[in-house]
Amino acid sequence: QTVVTQEPSLTVSPGGTVTLTCASSTGAVTSGYYPNWFQQKPGQAPRALIYSTSNKNSWIPARFSGSLLGGKAALTLSGVQPEDEAEYYCLLYFGGVWVFGGGTKLTVL
Amino acid sequence: QVQLQQSGPGLVKPSQTLSLTCAISGDSVSSNSAAWNWIRQSPSRGLEWLGRTYYRSKWYNDYAVSVKSRITIKADTSKNQFSLQLNSVTPEDTAVYYCARDQNWDFLHWGQGTLVTVSS
Repeated sequence: QTVVTQEPSLTVSPGGTVTLTCASSTGAVTSGYYPNWFQQKPGQAPRALIYSTSNKNSWIPARFSGSLLGGKAALTLSGVQPEDEAEYYCLLYFGGVWVFGGGTKLTVL
Repeated sequence: QVQLQQSGPGLVKPSQTLSLTCAISGDSVSSNSAAWNWIRQSPSRGLEWLGRTYYRSKWYNDYAVSVKSRITIKADTSKNQFSLQLNSVTPEDTAVYYCARDQNWDFLHWGQGTLVTVSS
């Protein structure tokens, strides 16, 4: 069974920068895994942030960016705002099936 | 503007079949560039992709290994909607179920979510 792993929790100060990562049990994550990133706040459905590694829809703030880093997919938040406190999930494509990561709880403190 | 509207019962008895429907507006279930997905979320299992249906000159389905023996996702072109059936449910299938559209690898549009509880 394929496993996608994220940091369970991270803490960042307001205005700081943080990078969340997403690893695959099958090996290095490449663009062919079409990494997606979602933000979820309590009681809400997940909101799409990044798709296909680094693409984002026009209304997503510029402080969110996606990349590949050291064999993993990465989501970087630069200039973190208090409203960025949320759970973040990645999603990877394995040739016909998608698998979510376990999520990273981001605390802004 | 694409909208996905979910419907279906919130309570299902153990061993019975969970059935949900996702009505599509602003797009066609027969679109050649979209896939129509079911995803669920529970505290114990997190977010879990269950499967999808999509049309590329013919209909295709993909299912997660964890539910492959129990799941069916079908498109209904006459009603522009797609459905989820999950057989032989147990309390472990209790979750919030979402439908979502994937177009060009972008899961932008989601349904509102339906809490389904499996209990006698």
